[in-house]
Amino acid sequence: GAVVSQHPSWVICKSGTSVKIECRSLDFQATTMFWYRQFPKQSLMLMATSNEGSKATYEQGVEKDKFLINHASLTLSTLTVTSAHPEDSSFYICSAMGTGATGELFFGEGSRLTVL
Amino acid sequence: AQSVTQLDSQVPVFEEAPVELRCNYSSSVSVYLFWYVQYPNQGLQLLLKYLSGSTLVKGINGFEAEFNKSQTSFHLRKPSVHISDTAEYFCATSGGSYIPTFGRGTSLIVHP
Repeated sequence: GAVVSQHPSWVICKSGTSVKIECRSLDFQATTMFWYRQFPKQSLMLMATSNEGSKATYEQGVEKDKFLINHASLTLSTLTVTSAHPEDSSFYICSAMGTGATGELFFGEGSRLTVL
Repeated sequence: AQSVTQLDSQVPVFEEAPVELRCNYSSSVSVYLFWYVQYPNQGLQLLLKYLSGSTLVKGINGFEAEFNKSQTSFHLRKPSVHISDTAEYFCATSGGSYIPTFGRGTSLIVHP
């Protein structure tokens, strides 16, 4: 099956700094990737849809200047949390849409961000 | 518009007992249905999917689900659970837009 790798798995940073999370599709080309945020004991909250070569589409209420998404190639999308604050601490998960246009997603391992 | 309802937020069960996790969907177009499992501090992985054809779908780890169009349901079942099945389970659907919609998740807790 298709593999999506997300890095780093865990990151701790100081308030005010920026953190970049990478999401790579290892064995297929992903024209569309999704970034989710997950709070404890809750479902996935879609943050944005990332399309290769174009600007990301952000969901309502998600600050595009705080959560910068870049999808520079067919195998890599990045999420940068700029000027992070403790309230940005969360579990961030990326996913890539498989071929076949059925909506099946392949997920990264997730990244736990803790902002001190 | 499409939506997914997972009626149970938590399902406790004893080891080796059968379990059913419920999922109902609504969609104005043809649907594709998925069940994903999430273990602690990990991403999600696909358990099974319904795209077309047989309404009984078998997945990994002994799970299966049945697509019921008249009841708009896609319940997940396993005849005998293990401790290792303790995890969060998400039902999802995608329709014409192919962007999936997730349910809120059901926490399966297997007790020894």
